[in-house]
Amino acid sequence: DTGVSQDPRHKITKRGQNVTFRCDPISEHNRLYWYRQTLGQGPEFLTYFQNEAQLEKSRLLSDRFSAERPKGSFSTLEIQRTEQGDSAMYLCASSLDDSLLPDTQYFGPGTRLTVL
Amino acid sequence: AQSVTQLGSHVSVSEGALVLLRCNYSSSVPPYLFWYVQYPNQGLQLLLKYTTGATLVKGINGFEAEFKKSETSFHLTKPSAHMSDAAEYFCAVSDYNQGGKLIFGQGTELSVKP
Repeated sequence: DTGVSQDPRHKITKRGQNVTFRCDPISEHNRLYWYRQTLGQGPEFLTYFQNEAQLEKSRLLSDRFSAERPKGSFSTLEIQRTEQGDSAMYLCASSLDDSLLPDTQYFGPGTRLTVL
Repeated sequence: AQSVTQLGSHVSVSEGALVLLRCNYSSSVPPYLFWYVQYPNQGLQLLLKYTTGATLVKGINGFEAEFKKSETSFHLTKPSAHMSDAAEYFCAVSDYNQGGKLIFGQGTELSVKP
């Protein structure tokens, strides 16, 4: 078990460019979550997957954001036409949901996005 | 809707002193509560969680928290602070009726003075 990994760790881009982040969850975890954290704030939920199905998207996730989890393994988060307001830490978490109680979410190290 | 409020965005204690970080929640269903710690430029690490059963929950690194339904609180404590405890601490409630997403408080930055 190598934990949740995210790539890249840091991304600097110019306004208007597209960026894509990758998250590799703990193997066999069936749930995968994306959160966004801005400076001085707690993480905010963006979206989550149960296996390959995207089951919920926050209203924070504008049309410029898209997430996928093909084959229910790794996930990608793409931001099109980036804006300076997109600058944040993007966190990925995974959990194994096989009971009535919520399992612990294990977080990756995050991808810090800076939009110039 | 569920929500979490952390009282005090910054707490400073001396090494060896008691650590008390406050968290109050709002939930229309029995809450599942979590405390996470975040070190600079790192992801979040689970300290402890409350789901059901014993209301006093012990976690890693000597931390514990007590679920008090009557006060809608889940405060985090540690009897004696270490320099290594300096970090950002987040309280969260799980929206388990909707996929288990976590709703976080704004965080409390803990500083430990020598």
